[in-house]
Amino acid sequence: AQSVTQLGSHVSVSEGALVLLRCNYSSSVPPYLFWYVQYPNQGLQLLLKYTSAATLVKGINGFEAEFKKSETSFHLTKPSAHMSDAAEYFCAVSEPGNNDMRFGAGTRLTVKP
Amino acid sequence: DTGVSQDPRHKITKRGQNVTFRCDPISEHNRLYWYRQTLGQGPEFLTYFQNEAQLEKSRLLSDRFSAERPKGSFSTLEIQRTEQGDSAMYLCASSFPQTRDYGYTFGSGTRLTVV
Repeated sequence: AQSVTQLGSHVSVSEGALVLLRCNYSSSVPPYLFWYVQYPNQGLQLLLKYTSAATLVKGINGFEAEFKKSETSFHLTKPSAHMSDAAEYFCAVSEPGNNDMRFGAGTRLTVKP
Repeated sequence: DTGVSQDPRHKITKRGQNVTFRCDPISEHNRLYWYRQTLGQGPEFLTYFQNEAQLEKSRLLSDRFSAERPKGSFSTLEIQRTEQGDSAMYLCASSFPQTRDYGYTFGSGTRLTVV
């Protein structure tokens, strides 16, 4: 079955600094990959997704992620952090034809002024 | 369309009581999913519906849990004889895979506290 591992349960950056949140996946077939953001006491909002098209995916709020098959990775980046980016970020994987989307444990992003 | 709606937002119940949550998906979405999220963890898949048919259930869904989607629109998740370990955020999501969009739209969740 597919799975994801998010390295680092907590990442702290300064405002304006690069954001890098790491995600590695395991899948027996070419996967679909997703990043979601969750603000306190809210549901999950889709940031971006990879579904076998371009390997560099651009999402909302200036985030992007690159699918690297050789590294089984799908890391999330943003060139310049903003205070409003502080939230919990979840990487998720699903396999075509499989209706079970699996989530990582999440990475809490803190942005310091 | 206002997205996926869940009701109630918060529920506090005594151990042993039954609770029921409701989810209204995006109207044109034919798939509906339930997830459970405990503190500090990612969402865990519980079950999903294609229209009114419940097609998959996780082993996490014990006999005390039951989900329905009687008319292929809204869904309910019932927990009988609640236990403290049931305390979690219960998330509902919907999707329309025929659009090849693949992403799920999540509701804001129902936070259950069992005391």
